[in-house]
Amino acid sequence: GDSVTQMEGPVTLSEEAFLTINCTYTATGYPSLFWYVQYPGEGLQLLLKATKADDKGSNKGFEATYRKETTSFHLEKGSVQVSDSAVYFCALWDTGRRALTFGSGTRLQVQP
Amino acid sequence: GAGVSQSPSNKVTEKGKDVELRCDPISGHTALYWYRQSLGQGLEFLIYFQGNSAPDKSGLPSDRFSAERTGGSVSTLTIQRTQQEDSAVYLCASSFSGGAGGANVLTFGAGSRLTVL
Repeated sequence: GDSVTQMEGPVTLSEEAFLTINCTYTATGYPSLFWYVQYPGEGLQLLLKATKADDKGSNKGFEATYRKETTSFHLEKGSVQVSDSAVYFCALWDTGRRALTFGSGTRLQVQP
Repeated sequence: GAGVSQSPSNKVTEKGKDVELRCDPISGHTALYWYRQSLGQGLEFLIYFQGNSAPDKSGLPSDRFSAERTGGSVSTLTIQRTQQEDSAVYLCASSFSGGAGGANVLTFGAGSRLTVL
C-alpha cells in the first residue's frame, strides 16, 4: 500500500538557521501531497499542499516541491524561528482508502 | 460549528471498561475520519465515513473498536473492554467531500487523550 517516510527527529536548530525535513513516498500514481504541523498542545493544522508534479506548496515561509522523479516532498524554510518549534507530518492522499496516509512525524526544536 | 469538536478532551479509564469518544465535525462536511496517535508514533488511520456510511472498516485495530455516524454529523468511536495498548490520542477530522479529489483538505479536532490504567 501507499506509504510515507520522513526523517526521524528530533531536529534541533538555532534561530535563523535553514531547515530541511526530508519526506519520500511510495504510491501508485501521483497522489496529492501535504505537510501538516502540530504545535505544542494544539491539533494538526494543514501547512501546505501540492496536487501534481512540480507544484510548489508554500505557507508561512515554508516551501515544498512535488518531485515525481525522486518521489519526494521535502519541507524547507530559509530562516526558522522559535515559534516554528512543532511536530511536522508529511502525508499523501491515498485514493484507495480515501484518506490521508501520514509519515511518523519529525519534531523540530528551534533554540533562541 | 466553526471547527471540529471532540469530547472528552481527556479520559482516564480502567482496563476492561468501555469508552465512547465523540466527534462533532464542521457543519456541511460530509466526510469524517478517525485517526489514532500513539506516544512517539505517527498517525494511524482507523476509519472513514462518507455521510453515515463507512465503506472500509479494515483500519480498526480489533473487533473491540467500532464507530458510527448518525444524521451525517456526529460520530462516536467506541472501544469495548479497553486495554492498556489502547492508550493514545484519538483524532477526528472532517472534510467537505471524501472523494479522490487532490485538493481534499482535512480539518482536525484537538483530539481525545485516552489513558487506560
